[in-house]
Amino acid sequence: QVQLVESGGGVVQPGRSLRLSCAASGFNFATFGMHWVRQAPGKGLEWVAVIWNDGNKEDYADSVKGRFTISRDNSRNTLSLQINSLRAEDTAVYYCAKSTGKGTYYLDYWGQGTLVTVSS
Amino acid sequence: DIVMTQSPDFLALSLGERATIKCKSSQSVLYNSNNKNYLAWYQQKPGQPPKLLIYWASIRESGVPDRFSGSGSGTDFTLTISSLQAEDVAVYYCQQYYITPLAFGQGTRVEIK
Repeated sequence: QVQLVESGGGVVQPGRSLRLSCAASGFNFATFGMHWVRQAPGKGLEWVAVIWNDGNKEDYADSVKGRFTISRDNSRNTLSLQINSLRAEDTAVYYCAKSTGKGTYYLDYWGQGTLVTVSS
Repeated sequence: DIVMTQSPDFLALSLGERATIKCKSSQSVLYNSNNKNYLAWYQQKPGQPPKLLIYWASIRESGVPDRFSGSGSGTDFTLTISSLQAEDVAVYYCQQYYITPLAFGQGTRVEIK
């Protein structure tokens, strides 16, 4: 069965960096695009980034462009999100989610999420 | 960028009642070359990640009860729960995947009256 397990969250000071990971199993990871979606406490869902199945194309929400970098290692079935220059408004649960196509499309599996708290 | 707007924000109904949630996109999400609407619906229960309910605006995901249905085309879409059950208490989101940045609606909270 498909499993997505995020890790790397925690409490971080403003301006610092953090790297989130998502370990995927139960499907052919290299075939599908992967996304990060975040949810601030008590708020709705915000799409963050997508990376195409082969890693050759990425796209980002305007709110994170230039600070966040999505990447993947298809040999290790791992998705990552490098977050730099953290801000208070980046505080959220970060979900990795599997696309149903090579890039964007609807998201059929989600991890349980990892909480990032930006606070001094 | 496409903006998704749901209505209402909150819905309280009795068990067995019909729930109707609207979703409007700021531009069409209908791709003319394949006649598909790039619109999905998700359900999120407290403390859980979102769960895919509907894709291509009207196709029910495997395992989703048939009381859930999706309809609409272009810019106006509807999620209907034909007979509300206790386990349907959740927040429901629409999402367009027509173009990046992908966008979710603000969510509709459904509760039992």
